[in-house]
Amino acid sequence: DAGVTQSPTHLIKTRGQHVTLRCSPISGHKSVSWYQQVLGQGPQFIFQYYEKEERGRGNFPDRFSARQFPNYSSELNVNALLLGDSALYLCASSFGRERKQTQYFGPGTRLLVL
Amino acid sequence: QQQVKQSPQSLIVQKGGISIINCAYENTAFDYFPWYQQFPGKGPALLIAIRPDVSEKKEGRFTISFNKSAKQFSLHIMDSQPGDSATYFCAAGTQGGSEKLVFGKGTKLTVNP
Repeated sequence: DAGVTQSPTHLIKTRGQHVTLRCSPISGHKSVSWYQQVLGQGPQFIFQYYEKEERGRGNFPDRFSARQFPNYSSELNVNALLLGDSALYLCASSFGRERKQTQYFGPGTRLLVL
Repeated sequence: QQQVKQSPQSLIVQKGGISIINCAYENTAFDYFPWYQQFPGKGPALLIAIRPDVSEKKEGRFTISFNKSAKQFSLHIMDSQPGDSATYFCAAGTQGGSEKLVFGKGTKLTVNP
């Protein structure tokens, strides 16, 4: 079975631009979460979506937004990019049901903002 | 603020030795504690996880010890191998509601041959 897939793998943008990152969950998983991992740090929670509804939001500015589609894939959008947005963006999927919330991570999208 | 404190930041172990990584949490609402292994350029991979109704869980060479009263948990890697060299993250979360995981800052493990 395919794991969590993310695209693109790498991305270079300049300050002020907009970026869209994509994630496809493991087949059968209905929950998708997004994390930001700055170099040398642990992942930080950005959003969680379950059945197309936002279930959780981390401490990130409104420049960050996300959505989940009927096929459970998801997009993370970041507007007005800042140098500090340079990071590895991770998507994780799970079944989303209580006691079945083990999250499986994708390989991530490495974003560099110049 | 929900935090998970992880130590040490880095660890060097000889092949065949025991690697021990410790984590402490503050929020007593946490009831799910996974450990992830991450290789350079890859996403974190789930190693083993524990819930607070047990004090220890073992899977192969990996063991989680959990002390609910001290709000601490640790990962023990027995018979450490060079292939175990990676960054290890502890995390904490809650069942039900948001699946937000709070991660420690990571421990870079190097196992020398």
